[in-house]
Amino acid sequence: RKEVEQDPGPFNVPEGATVAFNCTYSNSASQSFFWYRQDCRKEPKLLMSVYSSGNEDGRFTAQLNRASQYISLLIRDSKLSDSATYLCVVNGLLNDMRFGAGTRLTVKP
Amino acid sequence: EPEVTQTPSHQVTQMGQEVILRCVPISNHLYFYWYRQILGQKVEFLVSFYNNEISEKSEIFDDQFSVERPDGSNFTLKIRSTKLEDSAMYFCASSDGVAGGDTQYFGPGTRLTVL
Repeated sequence: RKEVEQDPGPFNVPEGATVAFNCTYSNSASQSFFWYRQDCRKEPKLLMSVYSSGNEDGRFTAQLNRASQYISLLIRDSKLSDSATYLCVVNGLLNDMRFGAGTRLTVKP
Repeated sequence: EPEVTQTPSHQVTQMGQEVILRCVPISNHLYFYWYRQILGQKVEFLVSFYNNEISEKSEIFDDQFSVERPDGSNFTLKIRSTKLEDSAMYFCASSDGVAGGDTQYFGPGTRLTVL
């Protein structure tokens, strides 16, 4: 089983759509969880941390279910600028981050 | 806003040559990392570094790799004898070491091409 597994995508959605990404992780000892976005040939940039209580940042909502080892990201009212690859990231005890393969999102006019 | 910087942006080398990739982490950060991303593949953890020693390394980080903090600002990754399969984007990252939910900030990367 892969350490971090994401929906393979790609997701092609119209502007204004709501889109949800799912992620599962295999190591139950994982300590912290993040969503990063990566634009083509650029570095990963932090989108948001993910907490068990769920957290929201504007149009973005992240959820974590430790019992199911499942992480999600919801994007509401998607914009053209949301087009990117979304990376699910799980951090171990020694800050050795493990990345999912990413899900590519294209938002079309 | 402080940021991680990396040099060079692109390095081309011949197979078997040594390369040194350089990074300047964010100034008050205590933890430093190297990751690589082969074209079209996922980002892979190589090594983490704290207090002048390696704290964790992956199975990829074998004897041909080494890291160093030669002074108070730079953090380097050395690949001793490059192979074709070392061609990748190498990202440096740093974090401030706050426990629980520690966030890593990435540099823009060095694209290494081994011919």
